[in-house]
Amino acid sequence: AQKVTQAQTEISVVEKEDVTLDCVYETRDTTYYLFWYKQPPSGELVFLIRRNSFDEQNEISGRYSWNFQKSTSSFNFTITASQVVDSAVYFCALSGASNTGKLIFGQGTTLQVKP
Amino acid sequence: DTEVTQTPKHLVMGMTNKKSLKCEQHMGHRAMYWYKQKAKKPPELMFVYSYEKLSINESVPSRFSPECPNSSLLNLHLHALQPEDSALYLCASSQGVGRANEQFFGPGTRLTVL
Repeated sequence: AQKVTQAQTEISVVEKEDVTLDCVYETRDTTYYLFWYKQPPSGELVFLIRRNSFDEQNEISGRYSWNFQKSTSSFNFTITASQVVDSAVYFCALSGASNTGKLIFGQGTTLQVKP
Repeated sequence: DTEVTQTPKHLVMGMTNKKSLKCEQHMGHRAMYWYKQKAKKPPELMFVYSYEKLSINESVPSRFSPECPNSSLLNLHLHALQPEDSALYLCASSQGVGRANEQFFGPGTRLTVL
């Protein structure tokens, strides 16, 4: 069975703090893709990153970085020097069965960044 | 243009009304999706269209009826809904239904059923 677990339901930090959002996944597939989406209060899910199972290189995009570790089935997301605009719900997702378009979402982590 | 648009933004309807939600994308994507999202929950997949054909129906009640008139448009027809159907309805699109394809989401329609 495929599953994504985001154990942190809510995180609250003060602006400029670093914060890491955890994502643990389960799958028996050898080829799979992992995604992170951001959902601000406006409601739209914004695509942040896609990572395939064969690429374990960490990725950095500005203040955002992602750490993918197959050994622990984790794909964690770190925001450096958080800002109020980072306040949102963040979803980690795993690609479902091949050629279905299905995504397996985690329950989401609500991040609140206080000024 | 990497935008998915949805209309209306908000919709209030009675249980006997018939209404439709609309979604449009101009990215040349061949897969389109409808999701339902309740507060503080992840999106739940409802329907998937691939090349304008319905490929997945996640056992959605027949009071929800999807339609894909062309590759850019996706509609969701609503009839005889229940108050528990109140939710945020999200449309998404992707290049295809393969695993590698990221989905781009619209802003959603907040539906309230009275």
